[in-house]
Amino acid sequence: DGGITQSPKYLFRKEGQNVTLSCEQNLNHDAMYWYRQDPGQGLRLIYYSQIVNDFQKGDIAEGYSVSREKKESFPLTVTSAQKNPTAFYLCASRMDRAYPYEQYFGPGTRLTVT
Amino acid sequence: GQQVMQIPQYQHVQEGEDFTTYCNSSTTLSNIQWYKQRPGGHPVFLIQLVKSGEVKKQKRLTFQFGEAKKNSSLHITATQTTDVGTYFCAGGSSAGGTSYGKLTFGQGTILTVHP
Repeated sequence: DGGITQSPKYLFRKEGQNVTLSCEQNLNHDAMYWYRQDPGQGLRLIYYSQIVNDFQKGDIAEGYSVSREKKESFPLTVTSAQKNPTAFYLCASRMDRAYPYEQYFGPGTRLTVT
Repeated sequence: GQQVMQIPQYQHVQEGEDFTTYCNSSTTLSNIQWYKQRPGGHPVFLIQLVKSGEVKKQKRLTFQFGEAKKNSSLHITATQTTDVGTYFCAGGSSAGGTSYGKLTFGQGTILTVHP
């Protein structure tokens, strides 16, 4: 059963702690993306990666870090430097050279930091 | 940077009424995609428009891409309760020669359908 897995679904952390969100895909997609969703603000791009060992900052990368050591995996670390980390985080992937280049989203992780 | 504005933020309709959401970009887009997110779910791809003035239909849904490739709309005819959710437009730009499939999402329109 192909798809994108994000775990956990809900995550609670204390302020000042780093936390890593998991994103795995078995779709053999080349590109992967991390978005943050807040009420009334749509989806904002945090980081994206087109190939292994390469990634680019999105529009709101401050306070976040990523790695892409394997094609299937693109974990996101929310660091203590992120001023307002409580949000719904969505991971997505896309197959290059496969029109219409749609993005497939995982189920998301809802992070609450108190 | 590129900005994509979407209106309205909320729309409440009676079942059977029509619904339209509009999307405007600050820059010319190479393509625009539309996604639907059901309550509690994740965005799911609906369609992509690429050509200037393009119109595509999916059953009761009609998607348009403006002549200048800076605006788009989604129109739903005779809404049903299954149409409930948030509709997002997402603009793609090939500025700089490469985009890595990067999309800029609008804020979304939350559609509520009253039976």
